[in-house]
Amino acid sequence: EDQVTQSPEALRLQEGESSSLNCSYTVSGLRGLFWYRQDPGKGPEFLFTLYSAGEEKEKERLKATLTKKESFLHITAPKPEDSATYLCAVSSYNFNKFYFGSGTKLNVKP
Amino acid sequence: EPEVTQTPSHQVTQMGQEVILRCVPISNHLYFYWYRQILGQKVEFLVSFYNNEISEKSEIFDDQFSVERPDGSNFTLKIRSTKLEDSAMYFCASSGGGVGTEAFFGQGTRLTVV
Repeated sequence: EDQVTQSPEALRLQEGESSSLNCSYTVSGLRGLFWYRQDPGKGPEFLFTLYSAGEEKEKERLKATLTKKESFLHITAPKPEDSATYLCAVSSYNFNKFYFGSGTKLNVKP
Repeated sequence: EPEVTQTPSHQVTQMGQEVILRCVPISNHLYFYWYRQILGQKVEFLVSFYNNEISEKSEIFDDQFSVERPDGSNFTLKIRSTKLEDSAMYFCASSGGGVGTEAFFGQGTRLTVV
């Protein structure tokens, strides 16, 4: 069964304290792995797409990496404005839909 | 920057009533989706739409649900007879890069069924 598991469920960091979020996936025929940011009451905001193992993408304080079984979202020197829920999703060549994980709720304290 | 727009932002309806949620996808995108998120839960797939027909639908998307692209810009989700358990945030998304490529989401419609 295709599925996505994210850990931890919640993460509290001090401003400037770097950390990583994990996304483990099981999907047949992986097409892409996606990271989104979701603020309360808002829609998911696209961050990154990763298509193959070994690929890395960066944007400001965020860096996403991909292996054959999991992806990491590394947050370097986070700021309070990085506080949000980070969602991981995967797509397959077999189906026209995304499978989402439950998300990691990040809280960065000043 | 192009974006997906959804209206209304909040809809309150009585159980058994019909609702239509509206979306304007990004203009050159060809793949359209509806997802929903019950408070505190995962984002769940409802339906995908391409070339004027449904390409995938979930078990949630039963006969009470329908989608339509009535013109060249709008994409709608209709719920014929709402139930209390339909209360959720409904997100429209569109993709321009082909099956399984990144999708861009609207800000959602919060549907409350009373």
